[in-house]
Amino acid sequence: EVQLVESGGGLIQPGGSLRLSCAASGFTFNNYWMHWVRQAPGKGLVWVSRLHPDGMNIGYADSVKGRFTISRDNAKNTLFLQMNSLTAEDTAVYYCAREDLPGGLSNWGQGALVTVSS
Amino acid sequence: QSALTQPPSASGSLGQSVTISCTATSSDLGGYNYVSWYQQHPGKAPKLMIYEVTKRPSGVPDRFSGSKSGNTASLTVSGLQAEDEADYYCSSNADSNTFVFGTGTKVTVL
Repeated sequence: EVQLVESGGGLIQPGGSLRLSCAASGFTFNNYWMHWVRQAPGKGLVWVSRLHPDGMNIGYADSVKGRFTISRDNAKNTLFLQMNSLTAEDTAVYYCAREDLPGGLSNWGQGALVTVSS
Repeated sequence: QSALTQPPSASGSLGQSVTISCTATSSDLGGYNYVSWYQQHPGKAPKLMIYEVTKRPSGVPDRFSGSKSGNTASLTVSGLQAEDEADYYCSSNADSNTFVFGTGTKVTVL
């Protein structure tokens, strides 16, 4: 069974940093693109970032480019999102997801809540 | 990366059909076939319903169908059931190795 489990969320002050992790199991992690998607409370889904299995081919949403860094450890089956210079607008549930089908995110984690507030 | 535009709400009676549109700027949807649709119930993670414009993942009922014409993609839910009441989001790959989601549509089953 495919499982994605996010961790590392919490309350952080504006300007602070946080690192999210996504532990993957039930599939060959280093064969798949992985994504981060976020959802502010009561709002819609927003794509954040995407990372190729090789760890080199990366895409970011304009809203996080230069502040967020996606990475992965294929040996530990884990995806990361390093978030710096956080603002209130970054408050959201952050989901990691596996791109199993062309352009389609078939598997999602339960989400990690990040709250940026003083 | 502008969000894809969806109507905020749509509704249909039990057993009837509802169609949701997803409209993009010319640079988003026109040249790509990686349009997907997601269903999200309150408090739950999204679920993939359609990928590559028209394809259904294993386990998704054939009541769900997708199409695309020019810069507009559509999701049709036929034979509406109570459990279809949810938020629906389209998405597409865009330029520079990025993706974009739609603004979301709340579907109500009357």
